[in-house]
Amino acid sequence: EAGVAQSPRYKIIEKRQSVAFWCNPISGHATLYWYQQILGQGPKLLIQFQNNGVVDDSQLPKDRFSAERLKGVDSTLKIQPAKLEDSAVYLCASSSGQVMNTGELFFGEGSRLTVL
Amino acid sequence: QQQVKQSPQSLIVQKGGISIINCAYENTAFDYFPWYQQFPGKGPALLIAIRPDVSEKKEGRFTISFNKSAKQFSLHIMDSQPGDSATYFCAASMYGSARQLTFGSGTQLTVLP
Repeated sequence: EAGVAQSPRYKIIEKRQSVAFWCNPISGHATLYWYQQILGQGPKLLIQFQNNGVVDDSQLPKDRFSAERLKGVDSTLKIQPAKLEDSAVYLCASSSGQVMNTGELFFGEGSRLTVL
Repeated sequence: QQQVKQSPQSLIVQKGGISIINCAYENTAFDYFPWYQQFPGKGPALLIAIRPDVSEKKEGRFTISFNKSAKQFSLHIMDSQPGDSATYFCAASMYGSARQLTFGSGTQLTVLP
């Protein structure tokens, strides 16, 4: 079974530029998450989708971050304009989303963003 | 209320030793407590998890101890091996929150050969 795919793996941009990250979850997984992991910290949830609907985006800085999951499968996270403090690894995760599931999240390898 | 506090930040043990990582939480609505393991350049992966109706869960060399009254849980790695060197995150979630995980800050474990 293929895991969660993310691209690009690495991205370096200047501040105020824009960047987009792509995620393809495990086939059949209804729930998709984007986490931000700053160096030396635990992952912090940015947004959660159930199929193509947003479950929670309360911690997403909406003035610069946006995310979509148009067909309930893959997802894109965009940052525009980027700030220095956005330098982090952006992790995509998916889960089966079943009510009685174990809650296990399957993570991709992440997209490392460096903002100069 | 949503925080999960993890300690120590880093841990160095000798091969064959016991590694112990501790976490504490405040929100009594949490009902699922997983530990994730992360190697450099990789995403976190589920290692072991526990629900609050049991006080201990063991899988191979990995054991979670859970103290509901103290709102604490810990990961014990017996017979630690150099291959266990990684960053470990505790986490917690609650039923009805669509299983959002709140992560601790992580512990970087180094096992010396």
